[in-house]
Amino acid sequence: DTGVSQDPRHKITKRGQNVTFRCDPISEHNRLYWYRQTLGQGPEFLTYFQNEAQLEKSRLLSDRFSAERPKGSFSTLEIQRTEQGDSAMYLCAQPHEQPYNEQFFGPGTRLTVL
Amino acid sequence: AQSVSQHNHHVILSEAASLELGCNYSYGGTVNLFWYVQYPGQHLQLLLKYFSGDPLVKGIKGFEAEFIKSKFSFNLRKPSVQWSDTAEYFCAVNAAGGGNKLTFGTGTQLKVEL
Repeated sequence: DTGVSQDPRHKITKRGQNVTFRCDPISEHNRLYWYRQTLGQGPEFLTYFQNEAQLEKSRLLSDRFSAERPKGSFSTLEIQRTEQGDSAMYLCAQPHEQPYNEQFFGPGTRLTVL
Repeated sequence: AQSVSQHNHHVILSEAASLELGCNYSYGGTVNLFWYVQYPGQHLQLLLKYFSGDPLVKGIKGFEAEFIKSKFSFNLRKPSVQWSDTAEYFCAVNAAGGGNKLTFGTGTQLKVEL
């Protein structure tokens, strides 16, 4: 058990609706990463935080996506106006210690957009 | 930008057979290398990692991997697989100074038959 928890574990929504996912890290570690995994593919990097600051965003993260990490603890990922192509597993990951090379993943939130 | 190739998408083996899964990466600088495993119904788990030093690294459950810098490869091996090794295996890299975000291969689905 990595200790990284994600909520909800499954989300089914209709196209056009907004959804929000939450990631609760192991502790108040300063880095947190989001990835997306579609069927038959490996996880793809979306964004990462160092404390409250969002330091990098992938081109995969369109304007409909926004991520936050208030107070440098838990993080949320919101998708506005969902599309069927957003259906995927959304993964949160956290390194344990410096130099932050290895990451440990949460169970993910599986999003299905109908 | 770095990229990772896993050439075997599906592998079927009998118990006690030897396993080798290929992984090649594309990046000119210093990288850290990982193998992750995802058992059915479970989240991604770190199997083993290479940061520096001895290019032959040993991980959990009898797995090992060898980093061959000249070939940009990091192949995963196990001398004798078990039915419980049935899972999806992902090779991943992160580049030094790149925020440590992981780039994954597409994964290899391993099925071990009794």
